[in-house]
Amino acid sequence: DIVMTQSPDSLAVSLGERATFNCKSSQTVLYTSNNKNYLAWYQQKPGQPPKLLIYWASTRESGVPDRFSGSGSGTDFTLTISSLQAEDVAVYYCQQYYSSPLTFGGGTKVEIK
Amino acid sequence: HLQLQESGPGLVKPSETLSLTCAVSGGSISGSNYYWGWIRQPPGKGLEWIGNIYYSGSTYYNPSLKSRVTMSVDTSKNQFSLKLSSVTAADTAVYFCARLDSTGRIPDYWGQGTLVTVSS
Repeated sequence: DIVMTQSPDSLAVSLGERATFNCKSSQTVLYTSNNKNYLAWYQQKPGQPPKLLIYWASTRESGVPDRFSGSGSGTDFTLTISSLQAEDVAVYYCQQYYSSPLTFGGGTKVEIK
Repeated sequence: HLQLQESGPGLVKPSETLSLTCAVSGGSISGSNYYWGWIRQPPGKGLEWIGNIYYSGSTYYNPSLKSRVTMSVDTSKNQFSLKLSSVTAADTAVYFCARLDSTGRIPDYWGQGTLVTVSS
């Protein structure tokens, strides 16, 4: 199984500031034949199901604000919120879909400082 | 718009079988290119993929649970189901049903989830 490790476990950021957190996979999730990274990001607010934010490591899902951006390749990935809003308080998970079983990271909890 | 709703007992005894159903509205399970799956989340913990099913009945299970999992689909009722046998306290979790994209790898619509507690 591909193990996904997220860091930090939690972070507190002031409103309007940038929030950046990381996801590392135990093996590459870059499929060289199509040059795509099989990596998605989800946002989960308390009491709600996860919401898909980004797939292919950097493609925003329809309707997701452009303050959310994904980057990285191979085994190291980053999700950035360019200007944190109050409604962004949540736990963020990465997920690899390069190989079965699908696996998720342990999550990063984002709070307001 | 698409909606998924899980239903089933909230309490299951150890060694028994957990059974859940996901009713899909706002879209058809059959004839689409999407997969339908189950993902669970133990209280306060992360997410674990259980498995997927296609409308044709083809299934794909997490190897860690494969020996205990059975998924089925009922296209006439536009719903799909999960059975997990021989449950223990470690199976206590919120169970989400989800639609996955045409590759069967990206859950893009999720139900609200239902908490299943395994306890005597």
